[in-house]
Amino acid sequence: DAGITQSPRHKVTETGTPVTLRCHQTENHRYMYWYRQDPGHGLRLIHYSYGVKDTDKGEVSDGYSVSRSKTEDFLLTLESATSSQTSVYFCAISGQGVDGYTFGSGTRLTVV
Amino acid sequence: GIQVEQSPPDLILQEGANSTLRCNFSDSVNNLQWFHQNPWGQLINLFYIPSGTKQNGRLSATTVATERYSLLYISSSQTTDSGVYFCAVPYGNNRLAFGKGNQVVVIP
Repeated sequence: DAGITQSPRHKVTETGTPVTLRCHQTENHRYMYWYRQDPGHGLRLIHYSYGVKDTDKGEVSDGYSVSRSKTEDFLLTLESATSSQTSVYFCAISGQGVDGYTFGSGTRLTVV
Repeated sequence: GIQVEQSPPDLILQEGANSTLRCNFSDSVNNLQWFHQNPWGQLINLFYIPSGTKQNGRLSATTVATERYSLLYISSSQTTDSGVYFCAVPYGNNRLAFGKGNQVVVIP
């Protein structure tokens, strides 16, 4: 396994509550990414990080924030969860160059 | 931004059949990747193929960068080939843009 883990694997939360998803890597890769996967949309980039404390928005960043205080951890926070954020969230890592892209196992989030 | 289109969106195959999946992209790229998502949701990198042809067992991929497309061939399909196949191309700062995927179901 490539040394990337996501937690939790499943979560059910109520509308309006804050939620934090964690991505942990042991590969010392520089780049980390958060994607969401929804039927009919494929994988869409939420936020990504290109180093400690260096992050940038992806194409669907509204309602999400991220933090990366150390190389191995990339956190995704939904400040106030909405039903439209029900999705499967994937973390990915890569070194310099995207050819080594590796995905975590995903987190299935349901907002009720 | 860069557009990635995959066809066909859905495909049902009889075990043993061959198939071709297509990925078109809107801008010039210096590499392209194919991923497979199995029925349990796990995403696996199949090919990194900026140009030319690569083979991995019963799967092979061809990218014609000058014409902005890539093809993924599945030969003698097996039920384990079921899942969603994604192609992805790079843009910006080490990011990948994904197509919407090809859903493949192989029936015994």
